[in-house]
Amino acid sequence: GEDVEQSLFLSVREGDSSVINCTYTDSSSTYLYWYKQEPGAGLQLLTYIFSNMDMKQDQRLTVLLNKKDKHLSLRIADTQTGDSAIYFCARGGGATNKLIFGTGTLLAVQP
Amino acid sequence: SQTIHQWPATLVQPVGSPLSLECTVEGTSNPNLYWYRQAAGRGLQLLFYSVGIGQISSEVPQNLSASRPQDRQFILSSKKLLLSDSGFYLCAWSNRGQGLYNEQFFGPGTRLTVL
Repeated sequence: GEDVEQSLFLSVREGDSSVINCTYTDSSSTYLYWYKQEPGAGLQLLTYIFSNMDMKQDQRLTVLLNKKDKHLSLRIADTQTGDSAIYFCARGGGATNKLIFGTGTLLAVQP
Repeated sequence: SQTIHQWPATLVQPVGSPLSLECTVEGTSNPNLYWYRQAAGRGLQLLFYSVGIGQISSEVPQNLSASRPQDRQFILSSKKLLLSDSGFYLCAWSNRGQGLYNEQFFGPGTRLTVL
């Protein structure tokens, strides 16, 4: 299977919370990242978490890391239509300069 | 501040024609540079990365090549395009010397359609 996996699609109603999940197989990464891609555009870093942390909160975003299960999640509180995008998780490539990206989750926010 | 440019924004090319996509970075020195392809609006595939002028690492065998003639310039090329080369091409850069933290900054992308 893929190194970093995500569910393909998530649909939520405006104002609800969204939870986007990511699993990975290689636990050697020091940092894990969440990127957002709006339609037809490049990716932008939303947030990141250091591997010795369990949780990081940044305004409406909460990142949870379960190192034992190799599971990363991104929670978006009070989801807005402007949050509709593809969300990618990524892990650092260890000693290399690369990022290993997940398959991306398309978040659709219904008004 | 740093900015990254890609051009052209969109490109329609016939099968068998050559390709040259350009990426330039401003406001930083000695960046790591990356080329990705995103097919069908989904997952990212790393094609090439470069840690310095003339230093190119290829991630997957393919019909494409990359060059870095200057510190902040990264070019993606092909001598003869295939239908399967269609996709959204993204260039990115990251700072060196940040240890294991590797935030990458992406350009706006080039939409390539091969007919």
